[in-house]
Amino acid sequence: GQNIDQPTEMTATEGAIVQINCTYQTSGFNGLFWYQQHAGEAPTFLSYNVLDGLEEKGRFSSFLSRSKGYSYLLLKELQMKDSASYLCAVRVDYNAGNNRKLIWGLGTSLAVNP
Amino acid sequence: GAGVSQSPRYKVTKRGQDVALRCDPISGHVSLYWYRQALGQGPEFLTYFNYEAQQDKSGLPNDRFSAERPEGSISTLTIQRTEQRDSAMYRCASSLEADEQFFGPGTRLTVL
Repeated sequence: GQNIDQPTEMTATEGAIVQINCTYQTSGFNGLFWYQQHAGEAPTFLSYNVLDGLEEKGRFSSFLSRSKGYSYLLLKELQMKDSASYLCAVRVDYNAGNNRKLIWGLGTSLAVNP
Repeated sequence: GAGVSQSPRYKVTKRGQDVALRCDPISGHVSLYWYRQALGQGPEFLTYFNYEAQQDKSGLPNDRFSAERPEGSISTLTIQRTEQRDSAMYRCASSLEADEQFFGPGTRLTVL
């Protein structure tokens, strides 16, 4: 089956660094996405990794190891507005590559405290 | 359009009634996805389209749920004979083929 695991909740302090981990067991892997979702709002795209390594985008970075089925999202210089749910999603190809969809984790609720 | 839009934003209906939820994707986006999302959970895949073709409907909970995208743009998710357990946030997302998905604001469905 397809499975994605990420911690349910995390807490961090304003100005600090936090790392949110995601592990996955999927078939047909074709990339990993991180989305941010504030309470009551739609998910918004943060980052995308398809090759191993680190992708940096401002205060946010995302890392992927395909051999380990592992990714993390790193948030630096935390701000209060970063309090949100962070969703890990794996893109999978199936049906002999004719179909493609995202398998979503349950999300990690991050609380940033002053 | 500027973004994905969904209507209505809120729908309250009585058990047994049919409802139709509409999604208007970003212009030119090939793929359109329907999800259901419970509070504090990730999106749950329902179905998706490439252009007007429904590629996968394996996530639809039962045969009361159906979706269409007749002209490859606007899509409608229909729930017949609604039940209380259908109450949820229904989200639509669109993408340029395999790229990132852009989500609409969702329709909050409440079945009394």
